[in-house]
Amino acid sequence: SQQGEEDPQALSIQEGENATMNCSYKTSINNLQWYRQNSGRGLVHLILIRSNEREKHSGRLRVTLDTSKKSSSLLITASRAADTASYFCATDGAPSGTYKYIFGTGTRLKVLA
Amino acid sequence: GAGVSQSPSNKVTEKGKDVELRCDPISGHTALYWYRQRLGQGLEFLIYFQGNSAPDKSGLPSDRFSAERTGESVSTLTIQRTQQEDSAVYLCASSLSAGSGGRYEQYFGPGTRLTVT
Repeated sequence: SQQGEEDPQALSIQEGENATMNCSYKTSINNLQWYRQNSGRGLVHLILIRSNEREKHSGRLRVTLDTSKKSSSLLITASRAADTASYFCATDGAPSGTYKYIFGTGTRLKVLA
Repeated sequence: GAGVSQSPSNKVTEKGKDVELRCDPISGHTALYWYRQRLGQGLEFLIYFQGNSAPDKSGLPSDRFSAERTGESVSTLTIQRTQQEDSAVYLCASSLSAGSGGRYEQYFGPGTRLTVT
């Protein structure tokens, strides 16, 4: 079964609004990563948060991690039409020293101009 | 520098035929991954290579799927006797190293869209 499950599956907002998407996972992790996939293009790495971190920022992106709840959230502030994409979380979901990433099913974000 | 490249970008094949997909990772990246992504779905892990270690094939869906990697360079994913359910985008990614806890980001290629008719 999937390690990461994003929620909501789809999200539509107006340009300038904030977008929040969540990821839940099942087993302990070392790191959690967020990726973006634009229509017809490959995945691009956005941010990595380690299991001992609670919050991380990168530009308009803010990621939080709650290991007690096995969940993470990705916040995009002041969204732009160019943020329209699918967003995936990826977790290693295995004991330390492993490498296999499990991707969630993704959140499809649509930002309306 | 050049990113991860994959070929072909599109492949249409008849059911029962074999196909070979190619991935050229970023130079110097020792880790290489193959994923499958069905339409509107997430990524499904297929196989992982790290240097000269034995690959992790635990994600391959059946024995019709196999993959090889020459050293730390090109990898090929082969699907024998293709079925319609094999239709998907096959993505390749590379990273500097898997490392402990997989702390390196993966760089993805544009994918190969496979259609089995």
